[in-house]
Amino acid sequence: DAMVIQNPRYQVTQFGKPVTLSCSQTLNHNVMYWYQQKSSQAPKLLFHYYDKDFNNEADTPDNFQSRRPNTSFCFLDIRSPGLGDAAMYLCATSRRTGDVETQYFGPGTRLLVL
Amino acid sequence: GQNIDQPTEMTATEGAIVQINCTYQTSGFNGLFWYQQHAGEAPTFLSYNVLDGLEEKGRFSSFLSRSKGYSYLLLKELQMKDSASYLCAVTDSNYQLIWGAGTKLIIKP
Repeated sequence: DAMVIQNPRYQVTQFGKPVTLSCSQTLNHNVMYWYQQKSSQAPKLLFHYYDKDFNNEADTPDNFQSRRPNTSFCFLDIRSPGLGDAAMYLCATSRRTGDVETQYFGPGTRLLVL
Repeated sequence: GQNIDQPTEMTATEGAIVQINCTYQTSGFNGLFWYQQHAGEAPTFLSYNVLDGLEEKGRFSSFLSRSKGYSYLLLKELQMKDSASYLCAVTDSNYQLIWGAGTKLIIKP
């Protein structure tokens, strides 16, 4: 089945220790997104790739970086995690055709910072 | 600014009907989505409205009034598994998706 996969589902890291979250998709979608979601809050868009074009949200901290080496994979790097970065990180994909653009989500990675 | 408003929490009884409202103020409008999100899981797509009116999909229906900046999600024949958060999201003129904080729906037997 075509899907969006995130690994790991749960990640524990130490304060200040770099961590990488991964996302892969078999939908062949040209857009990939990274969201941060904290409890009872709306998902917050960090950045997205439209094909290879990287689009950073203005309020995304420099501590967050992303890589998209190919269509299928996208990574979220948190260079120096702080306690406030503990959250669910959601990867989503969509096909941008100029018409309806529905985002499909992976299961998320829950990050705990100790 | 851009804003999506939904009630924080609602409670309903198994087998009943519930309506979750969403109002929005965005710079432009290119469609409205409803997503379901179970606790600790990712959002899953429920419905999309871009024209005024009611879209029915099984037990779930979604309504849109663009002139009023208003939508609702109607859930019929509620089941315990419908306990989840329901997120309203609007695509603005730049095709950015603006999210509401979600409505937590609690179903009681």
